[in-house]
Amino acid sequence: NAGVTQTPKFQVLKTGQSMTLQCAQDMNHNSMYWYRQDPGMGLRLIYYSASEGTTDKGEVPNGYNVSRLNKREFSLRLESAAPSQTSVYFCATHRGDMNTEAFFGQGTRLTVV
Amino acid sequence: GQQLNQSPQSMFIQEGEDVSMNCTSSSIFNTWLWYKQDPGEGPVLLIALYKAGELTSNGRLTAQFGITRKDSFLNISASIPSDVGIYFCAGILLAGGTSYGKLTFGQGTILTVHP
Repeated sequence: NAGVTQTPKFQVLKTGQSMTLQCAQDMNHNSMYWYRQDPGMGLRLIYYSASEGTTDKGEVPNGYNVSRLNKREFSLRLESAAPSQTSVYFCATHRGDMNTEAFFGQGTRLTVV
Repeated sequence: GQQLNQSPQSMFIQEGEDVSMNCTSSSIFNTWLWYKQDPGEGPVLLIALYKAGELTSNGRLTAQFGITRKDSFLNISASIPSDVGIYFCAGILLAGGTSYGKLTFGQGTILTVHP
C-alpha cells in the first residue's frame, strides 16, 4: 500500500521551462490537495480538488494549473517556471469528510534557476 | 480567509521540559489536526480532534479542541531529542453545507530539543 506517491522527488528547472508534478493515491480518497512549503510560511494551499473532475483555487494559485482527471491522480503544472516558485511541494489526500485525517506524499523539492 | 495563527514560531528547550503550542483563528473549524514534520519528509498526523472541548492524548502528547471551535493547543510532556521537528496545526472547515472540507494549515512551530 503506497499511500500517496509524488514524482519527481527533486527537480531543477530553468526560468521559463514548464513541468508537471504528479501525485497518485491508492487510498480511494475523494479530496486531494497541492501545497507549497517555504521557510517561515508553513504549508500554503495552491489548489485543491474535492472530487474527481472538480478543482478550486487555494491561497496561492497564480502561476499554477491543476488537473484531476480521475480519482487517483492530481497533477500540478507550472507553465513557465519562475524563481519565486522554488519551493517544496506536497500533495495530500483526504477522504473528504470532516472526521478523517489527511495523508501526505514525501514532497517534491523544486529549484528554479 | 480561513487563516490559522500558530504560536510560537520556534522553541528551544532542554530535554525533559514540557512544551505547549497553540493555534487560533477567526473562523470556526469542524476538525483540528496536529501534524509533525521531520526533515525531508511530509507531515505525519499526531492527533485529530473532532468535537469542541475534546481533549485527546497520544502518549506524551495532549491536544484540545477549543470550546469556541476557533482554537486548539498541543502539549508535549517530558520532551526527548526525537521530538525535534516542525509541528503544524490544521483545520478543516466544511464549506456551505457540503461534506468536502478544505484543509488549512498554521505556519508551524519549529521545535529544538537540547540534550
